[in-house]
Amino acid sequence: GQQVMQIPQYQHVQEGEDFTTYCNSSTTLSNIQWYKQRPGGHPVFLIQLVKSGEVKKQKRLTFQFGEAKKNSSLHITATQTTDVGTYFCAGRGLRGSNYKLTFGKGTLLTVNP
Amino acid sequence: DAGITQSPRYKITETGRQVTLMCHQTWSHSYMFWYRQDLGHGLRLIYYSAAADITDKGEVPDGYVVSRSKTENFPLTLESATRSQTSVYFCASSEGGGSPLHFGNGTRLTVT
Repeated sequence: GQQVMQIPQYQHVQEGEDFTTYCNSSTTLSNIQWYKQRPGGHPVFLIQLVKSGEVKKQKRLTFQFGEAKKNSSLHITATQTTDVGTYFCAGRGLRGSNYKLTFGKGTLLTVNP
Repeated sequence: DAGITQSPRYKITETGRQVTLMCHQTWSHSYMFWYRQDLGHGLRLIYYSAAADITDKGEVPDGYVVSRSKTENFPLTLESATRSQTSVYFCASSEGGGSPLHFGNGTRLTVT
């Protein structure tokens, strides 16, 4: 079945440093979604990428979808303590059960003030 | 999100007991999902539903039963709880098949 790998598993940064998490799928995706989960909270949708090579920005967050639609990344510029949490990517396959997402295991980001 | 609520927030039960986790959404979303979250495994899909009276298995369905007689409710039942089912359970809904998921606050279940 479809697998979505996410690295790194953990990342600790100093406030102000940049952060990147990477997501790789074993199969071509129709789209990919990103979620953030604060400690003790529930996942919250951030963004969806659909097109090959797509780049989207939300303030200090930059999301990219690879040309082959098999990988994606989330980059945070100048991290802040409010960025703490686990970031998940979730890929949706091309065929079959279109409404099933496969989640990566997430990257836990901690920020030292 | 205020539109999707899970109950209870915390539950402790004994091995072999039946327990039902409730999920209710007020958006009239067609799709609803149950995930479990465990350290080292991320979010794994247990069951999902595309509409009332339509349900299907996800990645880890064994030991769980779902029903969806009404669009707004999607209860998850553990027929005979085992320690391996100790986890945090999240219910989610989405408007369409490719739409973003809206998660509830989760139920932390401990099976002793």
